[in-house]
Amino acid sequence: AQTVTQSQPEMSVQEAETVTLSCTYDTSESDYYLFWYKQPPSRQMILVIRQEAYKQQNATENRFSVNFQKAAKSFSLKISDSQLGDAAMYFCAYRDTSGTYKYIFGTGTRLKVLA
Amino acid sequence: DVKVTQSSRYLVKRTGEKVFLECVQDMDHENMFWYRQDPGLGLRLIYFSYDVKMKEKGDIPEGYSVSREKKERFSLILESASTNQTSMYLCASSFPPATVGNTIYFGEGSWLTVV
Repeated sequence: AQTVTQSQPEMSVQEAETVTLSCTYDTSESDYYLFWYKQPPSRQMILVIRQEAYKQQNATENRFSVNFQKAAKSFSLKISDSQLGDAAMYFCAYRDTSGTYKYIFGTGTRLKVLA
Repeated sequence: DVKVTQSSRYLVKRTGEKVFLECVQDMDHENMFWYRQDPGLGLRLIYFSYDVKMKEKGDIPEGYSVSREKKERFSLILESASTNQTSMYLCASSFPPATVGNTIYFGEGSWLTVV
């Protein structure tokens, strides 16, 4: 069965600095999708970034980028120029392409941004 | 923008009560999900539905049931609420997995306290 592991329950970063959140996963599939979701306090969970496993190029969305290492089954999120609004719970998620409906989520990393 | 609306944000119910959590999406998504979110455990799938009147058990279905009479509405039912069901409940929806790079969209969550 697929699993997603986020080993950092909590991280802190100084405003304007860069922080990297870690995520590892386990799967026997060769094609799948990986996601990072952001859940601000008392607000809706939203998609931050998405990576297709068949694409070698790392996805980037403005200040957010990923380091996707398929062989190592690693999918880390880098946030550059951190802002106070980046403070949230971040979830890493996996979904394969085999027709299942399930998204597998990690346990989350709470990011604090210090002014 | 996709909108997933959970009708109740905060509920307090007594042990043994029957509880209904309602969710409506406006994007004509085939798939709908109910997750439970607990600290340190991440998101765990309770039930999902891939079509009207179709449902499948997720990872933790015990003590829950669901109803999907219309495509846009997916209800979670706690037949007899217990204190260990105190949690945040997240509804989500998406297009079918075959849709390339599809994304799951979440509601704002329903905080349920069972006393």
